[in-house]
Amino acid sequence: DAGITQSPRHKVTETGTPVTLRCHQTENHRYMYWYRQDPGHGLRLIHYSYGVKDTDKGEVSDGYSVSRSKTEDFLLTLESATSSQTSVYFCAISESLLADNEQFFGPGTRLTVL
Amino acid sequence: GNSVTQMEGPVTLSEEAFLTINCTYTATGYPSLFWYVQYPGEGLQLLLKATKADDKGSNKGFEATYRKETTSFHLEKGSVQVSDSAVYFCALKGQKLVFGQGTRLTINP
Repeated sequence: DAGITQSPRHKVTETGTPVTLRCHQTENHRYMYWYRQDPGHGLRLIHYSYGVKDTDKGEVSDGYSVSRSKTEDFLLTLESATSSQTSVYFCAISESLLADNEQFFGPGTRLTVL
Repeated sequence: GNSVTQMEGPVTLSEEAFLTINCTYTATGYPSLFWYVQYPGEGLQLLLKATKADDKGSNKGFEATYRKETTSFHLEKGSVQVSDSAVYFCALKGQKLVFGQGTRLTINP
């Protein structure tokens, strides 16, 4: 299995509080991704990173920011959590953006915003 | 833009039944196609992939063929087991990975 860990694995928070989720990889892959999984939507890309300090937006980036100060760590921050951000969040990594290159997924973080 | 449509779930079958989960796509260029599986409480795992037209991906008894003429990548298995109960995602990849909505499969003994 690809070495990807996510922390925390579960979190309950209140509306308006900041939340940071961490993804850590031991594979030295260049690309890292954050997705959210919601019923009926599959997984949707929030942000991705193509190197240290290099990030870009995905299709559902509003209300989220990311940072990557080291190759192995990719942080997702909800500056002021809302109930619509209740979801399961997955981190993924890949070696390249080539179409045939697989993405490997972490175990997920279940976030509940009350 | 690129998109993936999967058959609606949930799907419930008896053990040893034949399985088909339909997946169609819309894409520009030459994407690769993937099936991922998510077991309860876990992340996604790659089940199989196909990188060009007419390629067949296979793994653990599952198969899917990249059909450019019908823009499809249907997942099949000849005889399902209880352990195949999971959520299955069809996905398409150009530079970015685009997922279908997922199909929950339950196999009863």
